[in-house]
Amino acid sequence: RKEVEQDPGPFNVPEGATVAFNCTYSNSASQSFFWYRQDCRKEPKLLMSVYSSGNEDGRFTAQLNRASQYISLLIRDSKLSDSATYLCVVTVDSSYKLIFGSGTRLLVRP
Amino acid sequence: DTGVSQDPRHKITKRGQNVTFRCDPISEHNRLYWYRQTLGQGPEFLTYFQNEAQLEKSRLLSDRFSAERPKGSFSTLEIQRTEQGDSAMYLCASTRQGTTYEQYFGPGTRLTVT
Repeated sequence: RKEVEQDPGPFNVPEGATVAFNCTYSNSASQSFFWYRQDCRKEPKLLMSVYSSGNEDGRFTAQLNRASQYISLLIRDSKLSDSATYLCVVTVDSSYKLIFGSGTRLLVRP
Repeated sequence: DTGVSQDPRHKITKRGQNVTFRCDPISEHNRLYWYRQTLGQGPEFLTYFQNEAQLEKSRLLSDRFSAERPKGSFSTLEIQRTEQGDSAMYLCASTRQGTTYEQYFGPGTRLTVT
């Protein structure tokens, strides 16, 4: 079983739609949680950190449920520029090495 | 440009050859990570350095792989006797211990082994 599991998608949505991604992680000792965004053939970039209390950054909202070991990302009012792969990421120890899911691909159509 | 840089950006080599990649982290970052990404997968951790010390190596890092960070600045990743299965994107990331631990990634080196 992979440490971080995500639905690969693709999610194909129209502009303006709301879309939600979930991921689950297997290690209950996971410490930090993130969503990264990766454009085609580019490096991953941090989208947002995820906290137990939930956090919002503009159109993006992230939630963490430690009891169920899942992380979610909600994107409201989707833009064409949101088309990318969204990677769910955790850390498990003081190395802070990132453990990535396989990513969920989002396609926003006009 | 003060971001993470990697060189070369692309490398095509024949099976059995040795290759070496370089990563220059952001200057004040003391932690440097190497990851490998294959098509359709997320990056996988290979190894990391704190200053010049290599503190952890993944089981993915076979004995054909070696990484160094001799002066705690740039790092090199060498693959000896390359195999077709080594074809991947090799990503380097850096961060500063004691901060938010956000890792900044370089553009990667895409390796193709023919």
